[in-house]
Amino acid sequence: ILNVEQSPQSLHVQEGDSTNFTCSFPSSNFYALHWYRWETAKSPEALFVMTLNGDEKKKGRISATLNTKEGYSYLYIKGSQPEDSATYLCASEAGNAGNMLTFGGGTRLMVKP
Amino acid sequence: EAEVAQSPRYKITEKSQAVAFWCDPISGHATLYWYRQILGQGPELLVQFQDESVVDDSQLPKDRFSAERLKGVDSTLKIQPAELGDSAMYLCASSVSQETQYFGPGTRLLVL
Repeated sequence: ILNVEQSPQSLHVQEGDSTNFTCSFPSSNFYALHWYRWETAKSPEALFVMTLNGDEKKKGRISATLNTKEGYSYLYIKGSQPEDSATYLCASEAGNAGNMLTFGGGTRLMVKP
Repeated sequence: EAEVAQSPRYKITEKSQAVAFWCDPISGHATLYWYRQILGQGPELLVQFQDESVVDDSQLPKDRFSAERLKGVDSTLKIQPAELGDSAMYLCASSVSQETQYFGPGTRLLVL
């Protein structure tokens, strides 16, 4: 995988549903994987920075896992709420890239009340 | 809570005109980034500053884009002349050295 890819591109769920989406990134020369949440008309907000294979991070109802050997990360949202509606971006940081982030195209989540 | 400020939030211009965007990073953040996000795609880095010096501008279209951070604090990104394909969201971010990047709300540019 040469680029950072996210799937699905968009997702509609009902309030209360749990959901997850995927970020695939180059596994060679990996340094860190970043997740951001970007609500409409607001600034992208940092959710997690993950560096270690097998790492799992949690923030409220949102959690993320990391597999650096196969180059993927999952983001999970438990019991989705309308306020979770946003675009979720992941970004890969390579070891020799001087903090340069390569972003995926994002997953746009819409939670219906 | 400290935030990255950007202005204007929205800009409509005609092609061949000049436009400028301003970014004020979080106080104390030495590293400043400008990204461009085309609809449906992820943000792409245009230029990275460490204090007043350019660290990486390999993706900046230098024939029409310029960026400066003269005193190592706030920064300006300019496009002259603007083209239709420049319509995008322009995001500024800042960080303390090599740590988490904090983003501003962006400037949405529409070139007619």
